[in-house]
Amino acid sequence: QKEVEQNSGPLSVPEGAIASLNCTYSDRGSQSFFWYRQYSGKSPELIMSIYSNGDKEDGRFTAQLNKASQYVSLLIRDSQPSDSATYLCAALYSSASKIIFGSGTRLSIRP
Amino acid sequence: GAVVSQHPSRVICKSGTSVKIECRSLDFQATTMFWYRQFPKQSLMLMATSNEGSKATYEQGVEKDKFLINHASLTLSTLTVTSAHPEDSSFYICSAKGQGRGENGYTFGSGTRLTVV
Repeated sequence: QKEVEQNSGPLSVPEGAIASLNCTYSDRGSQSFFWYRQYSGKSPELIMSIYSNGDKEDGRFTAQLNKASQYVSLLIRDSQPSDSATYLCAALYSSASKIIFGSGTRLSIRP
Repeated sequence: GAVVSQHPSRVICKSGTSVKIECRSLDFQATTMFWYRQFPKQSLMLMATSNEGSKATYEQGVEKDKFLINHASLTLSTLTVTSAHPEDSSFYICSAKGQGRGENGYTFGSGTRLTVV
């Protein structure tokens, strides 16, 4: 069973602080990983993708991948109230070319 | 950018009736379509994968005779929920992948909120 696991939260972070979201995956064959943001009642939107070990930065967002530990994380710097949403970690299982999602972490940024 | 149009955005139907949901790729050819279902406060669960011109591949536990998927063209895929029941009420989302668009090339539709009464 291919799985992607996340802490469901909620994770509450003060405005301006760093929010740290974590994810683990079970299939070592997976090569590509994604972080999506989903607002209530809306479709998910892609924030970051990462394929190589290490860090990838895009604005206030940094994705981190450790394939040896099968661990993916997302850091959000200078958190804003508009960042309050559910963050979905996802892995692409290349053998089947399909994206499997984690259960999502609810993030709340308090003013 | 790539756009996937999904309709309807909301639908309410009576128990026992069928509902069709459409997903269209507007500016690219979708070689593969994915259909997800999301219950409240839960994640997206993959229901099935369809390739243009082929039968859909359903995930374990998803009834293929209840959730009919058609992917007859490179720009259109449909999901028909047959004999809908209240437990089928959910948020259904399609995702399309175009050929040659790389691993970031999965575009999501805006979702359909189905309520069965």
